[in-house]
Amino acid sequence: KQEVTQIPAALSVPEGENLVLNCSFTDSAIYNLQWFRQDPGKGLTSLLLIQSSQREQTSGRLNASLDKSSGRSTLYIAASQPGDSATYLCAVPNDYKLSFGAGTTVTVRA
Amino acid sequence: NAGVTQTPKFQVLKTGQSMTLQCAQDMNHEYMSWYRQDPGMGLRLIHYSVGAGITDQGEVPNGYNVSRSTTEDFPLRLLSAAPSQTSVYFCASSPTGTSGNEQYFGPGTRLTVT
Repeated sequence: KQEVTQIPAALSVPEGENLVLNCSFTDSAIYNLQWFRQDPGKGLTSLLLIQSSQREQTSGRLNASLDKSSGRSTLYIAASQPGDSATYLCAVPNDYKLSFGAGTTVTVRA
Repeated sequence: NAGVTQTPKFQVLKTGQSMTLQCAQDMNHEYMSWYRQDPGMGLRLIHYSVGAGITDQGEVPNGYNVSRSTTEDFPLRLLSAAPSQTSVYFCASSPTGTSGNEQYFGPGTRLTVT
């Protein structure tokens, strides 16, 4: 059974600091891993999809790495801004569903 | 493209009432799914569909029905609402299944059952 863990559960940083969010999964036989952002009371916005054959994927200030052998992915957000405050979720395919982590809630202090 | 749309955004039901949550996508995606999100439980799959006319159960299907008569629409029916169905419901779609494909989520329906 695929289990996805995100640590820490919450993170508070001053504006300008780089953010490092961790995601681990128990079954390394994954096709891809997807990172989402969720604002309070809102839906899930896809940030990055990283395929199993890739080691990194970048979009603007966001960079996601994937190490299948160790069952880990890391989302880096450079030069954080108050607008980055949200919950970040990672998810991996598991049969016909996505298995989600519980998320990391980020607060960026101005 | 509007992407994945869901209606209504909010709904309050009384125990025993029935209703249908609507989901539509305009990306010609074959795969569609319904999740519910609850505090402490994360997102759990209710039902999914790999194409028109094909549906299957997810992790928590009890109390919900689905049908897929067109590629675009995937409604979720609550037959007799219960307080345990108070939740936020998300519809998602992708080109074909979950493996290798980016999943697109709708904005959600916030349901309260009293």
